Amino acid sequence: EPEVTQTPSHQVTQMGQEVILRCVPISNHLYFYWYRQILGQKVEFLVSFYNNEISEKSEIFDDQFSVERPDGSNFTLKIRSTKLEDSAMYFCASSATRVGWYFGPGTRLTVL
Amino acid sequence: ILNVEQSPQSLHVQEGDSTNFTCSFPSSNFYALHWYRWETAKSPEALFVMTLNGDEKKKGRISATLNTKEGYSYLYIKGSQPEDSATYLCAFNTGTASKLTFGTGTRLQVTL
Repeated sequence: EPEVTQTPSHQVTQMGQEVILRCVPISNHLYFYWYRQILGQKVEFLVSFYNNEISEKSEIFDDQFSVERPDGSNFTLKIRSTKLEDSAMYFCASSATRVGWYFGPGTRLTVL
Repeated sequence: ILNVEQSPQSLHVQEGDSTNFTCSFPSSNFYALHWYRWETAKSPEALFVMTLNGDEKKKGRISATLNTKEGYSYLYIKGSQPEDSATYLCAFNTGTASKLTFGTGTRLQVTL
């Protein structure tokens, strides 16, 4: 069965450093998303991406965040200057129809 | 503000017990209600997507019901097994937005 993959599974970085989280969505999907879960809190929406542009973003997704689909397969989330409060599990998801979402296993980001 | 609540937060049952969880969500602007099963270090796995009031869905020993007028959904597990141990997340989205709004999840532990 096709699946969404994410790399790395765990990323440790120093505050102020840039990180790039990578995702490979399911190949025929058109809608792409990033969510995150801070430990002990709800899974939160960050951004949705369709047709090579952001279709919706939350207030969390400020100028420090950016997304890109650099080629036909990868979907990346960049955090320019990480803060302690960016420590979370980051999930990528993709969808063919906006109704069924497929999630990746997540990247645990730890900012020290 | 869209708020999704789940109860209980955690549940510990014996193998063979049947159990159920509740998800409550805003009844206005409803589009779809999603249930996910999430095991640690794995991708959240979609169980059900429900859209119609009165919908009932079943997958093996797991079933779900939906009441969009009063804004709740129940997830039932019949004859719990240790492999059912996971966090069960519900999420909903409105017709005007593509993002999912998640509840906090119910953490189920099934012991022998």
